[in-house]
Amino acid sequence: GAVVSQHPSWVICKSGTSVKIECRSLDFQATTMFWYRQFPKQSLMLMATSNEGSKATYEQGVEKDKFLINHASLTLSTLTVTSAHPEDSSFYICSGQGGPAGELFFGEGSRLTVL
Amino acid sequence: AQSVTQPDIHITVSEGASLELRCNYSYGATPYLFWYVQSPGQGLQLLLKYFSGDTLVQGIKGFEAEFKRSQSSFNLRKPSVHWSDAAEYFCAVGANQAGTALIFGKGTTLSVSS
Repeated sequence: GAVVSQHPSWVICKSGTSVKIECRSLDFQATTMFWYRQFPKQSLMLMATSNEGSKATYEQGVEKDKFLINHASLTLSTLTVTSAHPEDSSFYICSGQGGPAGELFFGEGSRLTVL
Repeated sequence: AQSVTQPDIHITVSEGASLELRCNYSYGATPYLFWYVQSPGQGLQLLLKYFSGDTLVQGIKGFEAEFKRSQSSFNLRKPSVHWSDAAEYFCAVGANQAGTALIFGKGTTLSVSS
């Protein structure tokens, strides 16, 4: 099946720094990328939707200036958490949509810990 | 409003016993339904999905799910649970439309006792 690779799997950073998470579709072109956030023991909450070459659409309550999403190509989308704070610590998961049936494929997730 | 409800937060099943995880949805368009499993600290693995056709869907690892439109349900079942099935299970609903994200339920934690 199609593969979405997410990197890094784990990242620890100091408060106030920025962290970039990459999401790559390895064997299909992801016309749309979705970014989710998952707090411990909770469900996945959609943060934003990005289409290649366009600005991302953010869900209500998600700060677009804090969570910068770039979808510059059909195989790469990035999420940058700017000026990270401890409350941003979470599990971030990307999902690429593409392929002949427009199916969704999930990355392995990235666990961010902000000290 | 579009939503997915998984009524059971935590279920414990004896190894070898049968399992049923409940999922109800509310969705305006024709729903496409999914079940995912997540082990601690891991990403999501697709167990099965329903788009159309036969309402009883077979998935991986011996799981199956039945779509019941009249009850807006998509319950996941397994006839005999193995200890390795202990994980978090998420039901999700979406539309077969470009740019439409999945909506997830809150998940059900499955524990397997010996």
